[in-house]
Amino acid sequence: ETGVTQSPTHLIKTRGQQVTLRCSSQSGHNTVSWYQQALGQGPQFIFQYYREEENGRGNFPPRFSGLQFPNYSSELNVNALELDDSALYLCASSLLQGLEAFFGQGTRLTVV
Amino acid sequence: EDQVTQSPEALRLQEGESSSLNCSYTVSGLRGLFWYRQDPGKGPEFLFTLYSAGEEKEKERLKATLTKKESFLHITAPKPEDSATYLCAVQPYNTDKLIFGTGTRLQVFP
Repeated sequence: ETGVTQSPTHLIKTRGQQVTLRCSSQSGHNTVSWYQQALGQGPQFIFQYYREEENGRGNFPPRFSGLQFPNYSSELNVNALELDDSALYLCASSLLQGLEAFFGQGTRLTVV
Repeated sequence: EDQVTQSPEALRLQEGESSSLNCSYTVSGLRGLFWYRQDPGKGPEFLFTLYSAGEEKEKERLKATLTKKESFLHITAPKPEDSATYLCAVQPYNTDKLIFGTGTRLQVFP
């Protein structure tokens, strides 16, 4: 058991809607990263949060945004959903510049 | 550009038939190379981190090795429960992000 929990596990949204995904990091970890994994692909880095600030971002548009809270939990928000946003969204927790990142079970988002 | 390529894309083995998975990478300074196991619909499960060329790590039937350009995941006498997708990722210096390959889907038949 990694200790990283994500909610919800599954979600269906309509194109154009907004969605919020949640992640509780592993105890003792201060950094949360979010990844998008399309079917049959490896995870793609969206962004990372450390001490409630964005600490790096991948090639994702601004409609992907996030938050980190004082207890190190995090949210991923996606506005104006598109069909291509359908994917497994993964949260990983670690220590900053740590060399072990542990993933949650993911949230499967389907956009119809 | 930092990049990870895994091969083969898919591998079918008979139970007990040992084999190796390959992960080739190009990165502007390697902080660490990660191996994960992923079951369908689940998040990746951490297996190993390798830091420098020549390093090896073992866990049960799995052994990971690292050179300056590639890593191998050796599976000795696999069992059906080893069936999963195995993901390789690199972490460049000066960043905390992981760059993943597309994975190798391993199926082990009894």
